[in-house]
Amino acid sequence: ETGVTQTPRHLVMGMTNKKSLKCEQHLGHNAMYWYKQSAKKPLELMFVYSLEERVENNSVPSRFSPECPNSSHLFLHLHTLQPEDSALYLCASSQGDREGKNIQYFGAGTRLSVL
Amino acid sequence: KQEVTQIPAALSVPEGENLVLNCSFTDSAIYNLQWFRQDPGKGLTSLLLIQSSQREQTSGRLNASLDKSSGRSTLYIAASQPGDSATYLCAASGSARQLTFGSGTQLTVLP
Repeated sequence: ETGVTQTPRHLVMGMTNKKSLKCEQHLGHNAMYWYKQSAKKPLELMFVYSLEERVENNSVPSRFSPECPNSSHLFLHLHTLQPEDSALYLCASSQGDREGKNIQYFGAGTRLSVL
Repeated sequence: KQEVTQIPAALSVPEGENLVLNCSFTDSAIYNLQWFRQDPGKGLTSLLLIQSSQREQTSGRLNASLDKSSGRSTLYIAASQPGDSATYLCAASGSARQLTFGSGTQLTVLP
């Protein structure tokens, strides 16, 4: 166990559905991340939250909407997704410092299938 | 824009062999270089982190090196075991929080 828990582990949804992915970290970290991992492609950083404030948004379509209500929880709200959004969505957390020892701890991921 | 490349994409070796995985990056202005392991259907596990001021890091049978000037890092695995079978990912940190990942090397260690 890495101390980062993601739910659900698997999700199947239609293109008109609305669903949410949840991530919770028990490590006392001050930053949380959403990544997308598609088949045959490198991990893509989607969003970064530091101290509950969004600091990175890498040109992610508006059908993905993140929410960070506190430093331990991170959500990814999904609506009107496309089949190409099917992927493994990974959450990570870290306690960055000035020396760059920014080790990120990852959850097990949510395997999303959009039909 | 940082780009990270990992070679080979897949590697199969007999148990007990020493092996080297390669990672190259285009922008040498990095905070650190990290190596991760990913088992099928699982998340990533951090193996080693080399800060930009360091040349190598060791953990057990793993040794990672970093040459910023040439934009290269290697992960050396000694005396490989079937339990080492996984995908190994390297990631370059271009800021305190931004990681750029390679596509990974899928390693299979045959008993």
